[in-house]
Amino acid sequence: EAQVTQNPRYLITVTGKKLTVTCSQNMNHEYMSWYRQDPGLGLRQIYYSMNVEVTDKGDVPEGYKVSRKEKRNFPLILESPSPNQTSLYFCASSFRGVTGANVLTFGAGSRLTVL
Amino acid sequence: AQKVTQAQTEISVVEKEDVTLDCVYETRDTTYYLFWYKQPPSGELVFLIRRNSFDEQNEISGRYSWNFQKSTSSFNFTITASQVVDSAVYFCALSETGTNAGKSTFGDGTTLTVKP
Repeated sequence: EAQVTQNPRYLITVTGKKLTVTCSQNMNHEYMSWYRQDPGLGLRQIYYSMNVEVTDKGDVPEGYKVSRKEKRNFPLILESPSPNQTSLYFCASSFRGVTGANVLTFGAGSRLTVL
Repeated sequence: AQKVTQAQTEISVVEKEDVTLDCVYETRDTTYYLFWYKQPPSGELVFLIRRNSFDEQNEISGRYSWNFQKSTSSFNFTITASQVVDSAVYFCALSETGTNAGKSTFGDGTTLTVKP
């Protein structure tokens, strides 16, 4: 089944404790991206990647890191989480269309709470 | 910078009513894609429709229809004869092309509640 898999789905952590949210897709998509969803603020893009070793900042990259060493994986790293990073996170992927990104396939979401 | 505005935060209708969700966007790109996604109460994000900036043909798919007007930078979504299962948060999104093809901007979402 074609899918985007995120782990963990739920996590409660404490301020300053480094964590990684993994994201893997099995569709051979070139594009991958991370979003956070907060009440009343919609989905905001954190980082995106257009291919292996090619990443760029989205609208809210502060406090996050990403890497794209393999085409299928795009982990989101919080080096020193803070309470304002408490949110619902979505990973997404898409293949590259003729002129750009295509339809996004989203993971199921990861709910992160930072105490 | 790109911007997507969904002015309607919440809409409540009674089953069988028609409802239109508004989306207005801003971009300096001449080529871009517009999308609608649905997020039902279960939380997953589901693709509904995509339009590119040079295709202003409006579309009807069952109870759903879309009205793309480049002159007013609007991409509105209408549900005809709404049903309780249509209750969800609906997001309008804009994606760049070319060297920034991975960049996407979403609106804040419109929460639609359809009452029986």
